Amino acid sequence: AQKITQTQPGMFVQEKEAVTLDCTYDTSDPSYGLFWYKQPSSGEMIFLIYQGSYDQQNATEGRYSLNFQKARKSANLVISASQLGDSAMYFCAMREGRGDYKLSFGAGTTVTVRA
Amino acid sequence: DTAVSQTPKYLVTQMGNDKSIKCEQNLGHDTMYWYKQDSKKFLKIMFSYNNKELIINETVPNRFSPKSPDKAHLNLHINSLELGDSAVYFCASSKKEGIGYGYTFGSGTRLTVV
Repeated sequence: AQKITQTQPGMFVQEKEAVTLDCTYDTSDPSYGLFWYKQPSSGEMIFLIYQGSYDQQNATEGRYSLNFQKARKSANLVISASQLGDSAMYFCAMREGRGDYKLSFGAGTTVTVRA
Repeated sequence: DTAVSQTPKYLVTQMGNDKSIKCEQNLGHDTMYWYKQDSKKFLKIMFSYNNKELIINETVPNRFSPKSPDKAHLNLHINSLELGDSAVYFCASSKKEGIGYGYTFGSGTRLTVV
């Protein structure tokens, strides 16, 4: 069963506007970590932000913030003040606190920032 | 200093050949992984080694064989390459324990089988 669901295959956003990328997850483990990675056209995987299941506050890293709604099992990424360099594929991922600790990825969302 | 380095970056080869991809990390992590990213960009784990011990072996054809000579290195050998093996292969490393540890990825190896 798919553990991470990203329902938006592609999005367009105007430069300087905010964009929200959706991510829902499925786990019965009370302890887990949620991650967002960026993959630009050059291909590398860049870590953006992390949210732990026990964290009381939503994570923020510069222009990135994570809207964590535990009861809904959602962990949406918000990119504020979009820049042309934000055009990339974005992956949501989860690491559960038991078993093999592997990082499971969603299918990704492509973001294109327009000038 | 590159944290996770994998070589080669590009690999073009003919069907039936055998090839290897090498990966090294200098982060002191105890666990290394191989992921395959297909043409639809989906990332799927293939293997994981913790301190030279195989801990994850997903449903992967046995033509793929990982080898970890030490905890800083994880290589991937592929026998009898097929067209469907064309993909980007990522090496990554992390600490095994702890949900707060994300993975650090290498830059990927784009394998094209012709």
